[in-house]
Amino acid sequence: IQMTQSPSSLSASVGDRVTITCQATQDIYKSLNWYQHKPGQAPKLLIYEASNLETGAPSRFSGGGSGTDFTFTITSLQPEDVATYFCQQYDDLPRTFGQGTKVELK
Amino acid sequence: QVQLQESGPGLVKPSEPLSLTCTVSGGSVTSHNYYFTWIRQPPGKGLEWIGYRYYSGTFNYTPSLESRVTITLDMSKNQFFLRLSSVTAADTARYFCAIGYYDTSGHYRDYWGQGTLATVSS
Repeated sequence: IQMTQSPSSLSASVGDRVTITCQATQDIYKSLNWYQHKPGQAPKLLIYEASNLETGAPSRFSGGGSGTDFTFTITSLQPEDVATYFCQQYDDLPRTFGQGTKVELK
Repeated sequence: QVQLQESGPGLVKPSEPLSLTCTVSGGSVTSHNYYFTWIRQPPGKGLEWIGYRYYSGTFNYTPSLESRVTITLDMSKNQFFLRLSSVTAADTARYFCAIGYYDTSGHYRDYWGQGTLATVSS
């Protein structure tokens, strides 16, 4: 299963709404996770099963979608959200990832 | 809070094996039916799932690497290992370890390490 993630990078202002998409080449139901990765740190799970907020993750992060099309949203971008975000499907093996979206501050 | 730390030689010669260790702290590796997983990211490229070994011993490796990769566990030391044989420059990457599990609702959740860079060069 190939995952197409877009955009590859974006620049936004503090307080902006940011949306990232992942598209799968086949139906993966809701078997998709979203992660945040800051340089030098471990990637951190933010959203599991497409739309469930991981314990401890800020509520400004949300996810949606099912089947082949998924979205990840930051409702109000904060300076600490500067990072790369990526999706992972776990419906089938081998597990596959989106190419990542680098989020920067304008 | 579960934490993972990868370790291993930063430099490996072509044709030699790459061996990495992942040490889990902040929780027991027997607390869930974990999938002990390795992922890698070549410089400037995307993430590639290498494979996992399940706590029960079953395993699955990505087809492009399965002839060269072995993932093993030492539950008594809260560690698991990656061995990749006959490396080439194409195996230069940051290698991440992760442990994943299905929660009581059937959702897959996981923890990752920060990764370790392995360079293949003579």
